Amino acid sequence: DGGITQSPKYLFRKEGQNVTLSCEQNLNHDAMYWYRQDPGQGLRLIYYSQIVNDFQKGDIAEGYSVSREKKESFPLTVTSAQKNPTAFYLCASSISAGGRSYEQYFGPGTRLTVT
Amino acid sequence: KQEVTQIPAALSVPEGENLVLNCSFTDSAIYNLQWFRQDPGKGLTSLLLIQSSQREQTSGRLNASLDKSSGRSTLYIAASQPGDSATYLCAVRPLMPNTGNQFYFGTGTSLTVIP
Repeated sequence: DGGITQSPKYLFRKEGQNVTLSCEQNLNHDAMYWYRQDPGQGLRLIYYSQIVNDFQKGDIAEGYSVSREKKESFPLTVTSAQKNPTAFYLCASSISAGGRSYEQYFGPGTRLTVT
Repeated sequence: KQEVTQIPAALSVPEGENLVLNCSFTDSAIYNLQWFRQDPGKGLTSLLLIQSSQREQTSGRLNASLDKSSGRSTLYIAASQPGDSATYLCAVRPLMPNTGNQFYFGTGTSLTVIP
């Protein structure tokens, strides 16, 4: 089955620790995205990548880092510099033809709790 | 910056009723609009994607319309069922994105269909 997988589903960390969230897709999509979802707020873009070895900051990139070494994988690291890391993190992908992206598909999400 | 609003935030209807969910956006220069469904604690499931040149899209009991000039989209659900209970989100992709092909999301409408 084609799709997007995120692991783990739940993640607990102590304050001050870096943590990496996994996102893998087998849809052969060029573009991948990381969003953060907080209660009562819409999804906010953290980082996106339209091609391997290239990525761009979204609206709330501070305290996060990403890499895109493979087309299928786009891991997100939440660093200790992120002031409010507890949230639901969603990874998405889409085709990207001619610099424009199309329908987005989402993974199941990772709920991160930092105490 | 594009702002997306969904009103009401929550809606309860009896089973079998037809209903309409609303989405409004501030900048009519959009590339496309996508409707999603989100179940509690889950990722987003794509329902319908409407390109800016289209007026509506249909899938089963769902029909989404787009009026770019007025900055509005509606999602019509026919003959609602308890299984339709979920949060419905709309997202727009600007025609001239300043952060690279991202969607801007509304905060969603939480729908409860009462058996």
